Amino acid sequence: DTGVSQNPRHKITKRGQNVTFRCDPISEHNRLYWYRQTLGQGPEFLTYFQNEAQLEKSRLLSDRFSAERPKGSFSTLEIQRTEQGDSAMYLCASSQIGQGKSDEQYFGPGTRLTVT
Amino acid sequence: SQQGEEDPQALSIQEGENATMNCSYKTSINNLQWYRQNSGRGLVHLILIRSNEREKHSGRLRVTLDTSKKSSSLLITASRAADTASYFCATVLRMDSSYKLIFGSGTRLLVRP
Repeated sequence: DTGVSQNPRHKITKRGQNVTFRCDPISEHNRLYWYRQTLGQGPEFLTYFQNEAQLEKSRLLSDRFSAERPKGSFSTLEIQRTEQGDSAMYLCASSQIGQGKSDEQYFGPGTRLTVT
Repeated sequence: SQQGEEDPQALSIQEGENATMNCSYKTSINNLQWYRQNSGRGLVHLILIRSNEREKHSGRLRVTLDTSKKSSSLLITASRAADTASYFCATVLRMDSSYKLIFGSGTRLLVRP
């Protein structure tokens, strides 16, 4: 299967703990996006990478959040000192931007975070 | 704030009927995309329509785009119980090199068997 994968699928943590999520994009895709989705709402953009460079961060991404894509392949999203308001589904998507390529984003299954 | 707003928020129809969902947005776009999401799962891309296109078809799906009214509609013909899901429109803003998607709040579709 060459789709976008995310791990873990579910994470339950206590308030104040740190959590890290991983996203493996489609292998030839050069762009990787993180979104957050709360119950009953559409996803909201958090940040994106072009290869290994993080080019844009939303104001939703507080200083407790950090994302990396060290070799331009997989990406990690870390949340430090989690708060109950961080409970959400974290979605990763990848795309291939370039001449002749579609800008369609392919989404992973998401990581559902519950902060107790 | 969300760029797109879907209407209606919820829709319940009988299997075999057509379902129409509408999306309005606020600023100029590069393209508009529709996604489907089954409960608690990831998003599945359905169709992309560019700002210079007015209508696209894909199987039982028909999407229209009216840039003068800043609106789009998704029509699902001959609906099936398996079409039950949430449907989101998402826009890519003109001149936004990030191509990030800006989603609406979605339409929850229930197709009764």
